[in-house]
Amino acid sequence: GAGVSQSPSNKVTEKGKDVELRCDPISGHTALYWYRQSLGQGLEFLIYFQGNSAPDKSGLPSDRFSAERTGGSVSTLTIQRTQQEDSAVYLCASSLRFIGASNTEAFFGQGTRLTVV
Amino acid sequence: GESVGLHLPTLSVQEGDNSIINCAYSNSASDYFIWYKQESGKGPQFIIDIRSNMDKRQGQRVTVLLNKTVKHLSLQIAATQPGDSAVYFCAENISAGDTGRRALTFGSGTRLQVQP
Repeated sequence: GAGVSQSPSNKVTEKGKDVELRCDPISGHTALYWYRQSLGQGLEFLIYFQGNSAPDKSGLPSDRFSAERTGGSVSTLTIQRTQQEDSAVYLCASSLRFIGASNTEAFFGQGTRLTVV
Repeated sequence: GESVGLHLPTLSVQEGDNSIINCAYSNSASDYFIWYKQESGKGPQFIIDIRSNMDKRQGQRVTVLLNKTVKHLSLQIAATQPGDSAVYFCAENISAGDTGRRALTFGSGTRLQVQP
């Protein structure tokens, strides 16, 4: 596709259930980022991928959160045993190279709105 | 800890006026800055970026100013239009070598409201 695609767009889950969020980056983009945005708040960094490896996982809030990327393309963010405080919009972005390298910009998807009830 | 923040959470301007959105950053090692625009229900959209070796950069109707002395960043929007109404985020990046943070750190955002 032409842009970053995330699915599902909305997810309602019961507390304690596991969820998987998917991100399809722009074709050819080597860098992929996950952010979390709570209502009315800024973007909280979660994890960064360069290719299939994640050199920076420092933003993952707990060991219930994990992410993987395969084939240098699709990424999934998994939240185990969801809690109500996990409710937020989860945004994925991709860039041709890592942010900061020679005028590359990050393109964001529309996000997945996760609601834990 | 070090962070990126914004002075004004909400800015209301009249259509046709110029808007200035301000941002303070505290990490002197930051060397790359981006402004994003986020409309309701959408992901952030890149507006303009600037590197620390510059103090001004212009785009279409937008100008970003960087003052490294006081660690201040601003976004100027000329002839503000109703379509400019959105939340604006500044973000910083630190190039810290191969193992450094490659992702942006975002501020909490400023809501721009354009009155017709």
